Amino acid sequence: GDSVTQMEGPVTLSEEACLTINCTYTATGYPSLFWYVQYPGEGLQLLLKATKADDKGSNKGFEATYRKETTSFHLEKGSVQVSDSAVYFCALTPQGGSEKLVFGKGMKLTVNP
Amino acid sequence: DTAVSQTPKYLVTQMGNDKSIKCEQNLGHDTMYWYKQDSKKFLKIMFSYNNKELIINETVPNRFSPKSPDKAHLNLHINSLELGDSAVYFCASSQVGGGTQYFGPGTRLTVL
Repeated sequence: GDSVTQMEGPVTLSEEACLTINCTYTATGYPSLFWYVQYPGEGLQLLLKATKADDKGSNKGFEATYRKETTSFHLEKGSVQVSDSAVYFCALTPQGGSEKLVFGKGMKLTVNP
Repeated sequence: DTAVSQTPKYLVTQMGNDKSIKCEQNLGHDTMYWYKQDSKKFLKIMFSYNNKELIINETVPNRFSPKSPDKAHLNLHINSLELGDSAVYFCASSQVGGGTQYFGPGTRLTVL
């Protein structure tokens, strides 16, 4: 079945450090790919998405590129801030408009000043 | 102007009780979902409804019964609560066809 594998962490970085969170997926065809973020005590928010190969999603300084050849959707940010401390989830919806999100296990990021 | 809202935010109850969680969305979406987040933060879909019809039921015990009175509401009723039901339950909605899902703030259920 469809699945998502991502770095689990937890990860602690200093402010202004570079961030990469690896995410790979297993799915047939061309799923849509997402990064969701959960700030402490809050629900999930969509951070960015990509719906076809080579698409780049970006938001709030974060970027991720849909790589079909490596079945990956790694999340990157060049300079993290304390306010980026959160749990990050990689997810997919299968091709064909299936109505469910399949999530990775989430990665907790803490950014220290 | 909250997009997806859930009540209550916190729910503490005894084993064996029956409880409900309510969800409402004002985004005009056709599809609504319930997800369960366990203590390790792992998220898994439980149910999906499209225009009040059940379309996904991911092997959830039949103690859990979703009810959709209209396409803006999807409530979750849980009978005979067990310790293992303790989790955070998230409601979400999207347009039909697998569009971006928007999540509610979650309901933290604690079963004692």
